[in-house]
Amino acid sequence: SQTIHQWPATLVQPVGSPLSLECTVEGTSNPNLYWYRQAAGRGLQLLFYSVGIGQISSEVPQNLSASRPQDRQFILSSKKLLLSDSGFYLCAWRGNLYGYTFGSGTRLTVV
Amino acid sequence: DQQVKQNSPSLSVQEGRISILNCDYTNSMFDYFLWYKKYPAEGPTFLISISSIKDKNEDGRFTVFLNKSAKHLSLHIVPSQPGDSAVYFCAARTDNAGNMLTFGGGTRLMVKP
Repeated sequence: SQTIHQWPATLVQPVGSPLSLECTVEGTSNPNLYWYRQAAGRGLQLLFYSVGIGQISSEVPQNLSASRPQDRQFILSSKKLLLSDSGFYLCAWRGNLYGYTFGSGTRLTVV
Repeated sequence: DQQVKQNSPSLSVQEGRISILNCDYTNSMFDYFLWYKKYPAEGPTFLISISSIKDKNEDGRFTVFLNKSAKHLSLHIVPSQPGDSAVYFCAARTDNAGNMLTFGGGTRLMVKP
């Protein structure tokens, strides 16, 4: 069966520090992968999606970047975090008609 | 430009009664609609979906209705239970290379015992 792993679950980082969030998928090959963010009291905003290794599409201009070094690995990064980067980050994998399967999320607090 | 909107940020319902969550969209190219349920500090989980060629889909206590002419869909939960208390997201899919889902802002449902 397919599973999606996302870590860490929580993270507190100072402003200006780097960020690396990792997401891996098991049980499938060449998945479409997505990074979403839920800011406090807001909906789910699509940040990046990837249809294959090295293929990244960005949906909104921001302080973040994404990379897909392996077929089932998707990484969200920042060189210097801003306070506004705080939020709940979700990785997702596209399955069948039932849309996405989400990871358990990472709560990022930038202080 | 929000293509999927959930205009009610919160809804409070008594246990046993019906909960109706609404969602409006603007993009006529959406071909599939989904509802997700999200508990705090967890990822959203799939609840129910409907194809754009249908107007109703039912799964147990959950029914989704689609009105294409009005570009409106709704999720009915009956009877509502305290465990249904969560944030519900409406999502719409575009059948393109990325197969992206566009999410609404969510509605927080509180079911009171």
